[in-house]
Amino acid sequence: GQSLEQPSEVTAVEGAIVQINCTYQTSGFYGLSWYQQHDGGAPTFLSYNALDGLEETGRFSSFLSRSDSYGYLLLQELQMKDSASYFCAVGSNYQLIWGAGTKLIIKP
Amino acid sequence: DAGVIQSPRHEVTEMGQEVTLRCKPISGHNSLFWYRQTMMRGLELLIYFNNNVPIDDSGMPEDRFSAKMPNASFSTLKIQPSEPRDSAVYFCASSPRQSNQPQHFGDGTRLSIL
Repeated sequence: GQSLEQPSEVTAVEGAIVQINCTYQTSGFYGLSWYQQHDGGAPTFLSYNALDGLEETGRFSSFLSRSDSYGYLLLQELQMKDSASYFCAVGSNYQLIWGAGTKLIIKP
Repeated sequence: DAGVIQSPRHEVTEMGQEVTLRCKPISGHNSLFWYRQTMMRGLELLIYFNNNVPIDDSGMPEDRFSAKMPNASFSTLKIQPSEPRDSAVYFCASSPRQSNQPQHFGDGTRLSIL
């Protein structure tokens, strides 16, 4: 079967750095994406990795290792507004296979 | 640029009634996805359209659910008859060309079936 594994919850302190890991097992691979969803909101696209390595977008970075079927999202200089759920998703054929999401709790 | 537009934002109705959810994808996006999200089951893909043609509807729960895309700028998801277990947030998302990412989501329809 196809599956993505990510932690259900991560807690961090405002101003710190946090890493959210994602491992996947899918029949096809067309890139790893990360989405952010605030409570009551819609998923919002954050980043996309098609090739191995690190992609940086402001305070957020995403990493992919296809040989390890592994990726992570790195959030730096955490702000209270970063409190949300973060989903990894793998492109497999025509659709995205979604992880269950990681709830990021940020403490002042 | 306008994003994905869904209507209504909220819908409360009694079981047995017909419910129609609407979606206008981003102009130029050829792929459209309908999702359902609940606390118990997370984000579930219901159906995927490419160039207005349904490609995979294996995620549609049962015959009570149907979806159409009569043209490139409009899609509907219909539930008839509705049941309390259909209560969820329904999202529509679109993606450019035949790619499945990135997907741009609408604000969702929060559906409550009493």
